[in-house]
Amino acid sequence: GDSVTQMEGPVTLSEEAFLTINCTYTATGYPSLFWYVQYPGEGLQLLLKATKADDKGSNKGFEATYRKETTSFHLEKGSVQVSDSAVYFCALSDRGGGFKTIFGAGTRLFVKA
Amino acid sequence: GAVVSQHPSRVICKSGTSVKIECRSLDFQATTMFWYRQFPKQSLMLMATSNEGSKATYEQGVEKDKFLINHASLTLSTLTVTSAHPEDSSFYICSALDRDEETQYFGPGTRLLVL
Repeated sequence: GDSVTQMEGPVTLSEEAFLTINCTYTATGYPSLFWYVQYPGEGLQLLLKATKADDKGSNKGFEATYRKETTSFHLEKGSVQVSDSAVYFCALSDRGGGFKTIFGAGTRLFVKA
Repeated sequence: GAVVSQHPSRVICKSGTSVKIECRSLDFQATTMFWYRQFPKQSLMLMATSNEGSKATYEQGVEKDKFLINHASLTLSTLTVTSAHPEDSSFYICSALDRDEETQYFGPGTRLLVL
């Protein structure tokens, strides 16, 4: 079945450092890919998405590009802030699967001042 | 992005009682909503798919008589935890599917504590 694998955390960075969180997927169909962010004690917020190969999703300085050839959707940000500290989930959703979302395990990010 | 609300945000109940959690899509109609459970420091586990006007589809291992789901309108789905026990304590999150955008929007979650 479909699956999502993302790098284990926690990831600890200093403010203004470069962030990469790796995410790879396996899918039988042609899924849409998502990054969600969860702040402590809250639900998930959609951070960005991409629906087809080579699409780049971006929001709040975060970017991820849908790479079909490497089945990847790595999350990047050029300069992180303390307020970016949260758990980040990579996910896929496929129309053929009834839009069920498959989540990665989540990567916890700590940003130090 | 679209807004999905959940109520209550937090509930404490005694063992053996039932608890109802509401999930509403506030600015779009959702024929499909999903219910998830999240344990501390873990990812989301899909419990069931809620379809407006029809029975919910439960994932393997989820007791349908324990977790009753009703999706009576295009903007409201409810999850009722029946005869709750301490092991049902968890963070429950719903989402609503915007089919036009093929994107799920998540509620803020409901923290349930069963004493």
